[in-house]
Amino acid sequence: RKEVEQDPGPFNVPEGATVAFNCTYSNSASQSFFWYRQDCRKEPKLLMSVYSSGNEDGRFTAQLNRASQYISLLIRDSKLSDSATYLCVVTFDRGSTLGRLYFGRGTQLTVWP
Amino acid sequence: GAGVSQSPSNKVTEKGKDVELRCDPISGHTALYWYRQSLGQGLEFLIYFQGNSAPDKSGLPSDRFSAERTGGSVSTLTIQRTQQEDSAVYLCASSLDEVSYNEQFFGPGTRLTVL
Repeated sequence: RKEVEQDPGPFNVPEGATVAFNCTYSNSASQSFFWYRQDCRKEPKLLMSVYSSGNEDGRFTAQLNRASQYISLLIRDSKLSDSATYLCVVTFDRGSTLGRLYFGRGTQLTVWP
Repeated sequence: GAGVSQSPSNKVTEKGKDVELRCDPISGHTALYWYRQSLGQGLEFLIYFQGNSAPDKSGLPSDRFSAERTGGSVSTLTIQRTQQEDSAVYLCASSLDEVSYNEQFFGPGTRLTVL
């Protein structure tokens, strides 16, 4: 079983829509959580960290539920420029795996006009 | 430079040949990471360097894969006797140090095709 599981999509939504992505992780020792964004044939870039208290950055809201080992990303008022693949990432903050990012396979989003 | 650079951007090789992929991290970044992304797959960790040493090389898929880093800067990933299943995009990332590993800055990748 992969460390991180995501719904691959694709999600096709109109501009202005609200869309939510979910991600589950298998190892309860996971310590840090992130969403990365990857545009087509480009490198991944950090979108935002995910905290237990939830955090918001403009139109983007990330939530973490440690009890259910579940992470979410909500995008409000979708823009054409939000079209990309969104990667769920977890890390373990100790031991020999320090520094290793575990990536989900990504959820593809297309926003249409 | 301003970001992580990798070369070559594309590499086509024949099965059985050796290839070398290069990564130049962001200046001043002491931690460097290699990942690969196969078609339809997520990013897969390969190896991580802190300075010139590799505390975690457990992600290397076989002994045909090796990596080194010299001078705490440039890193080279070498694949010997390439196989078709080695075809993937090889991504390098760097972070300020191993404490700051959570924010890794990725290079554009090397797209390797093994015929």
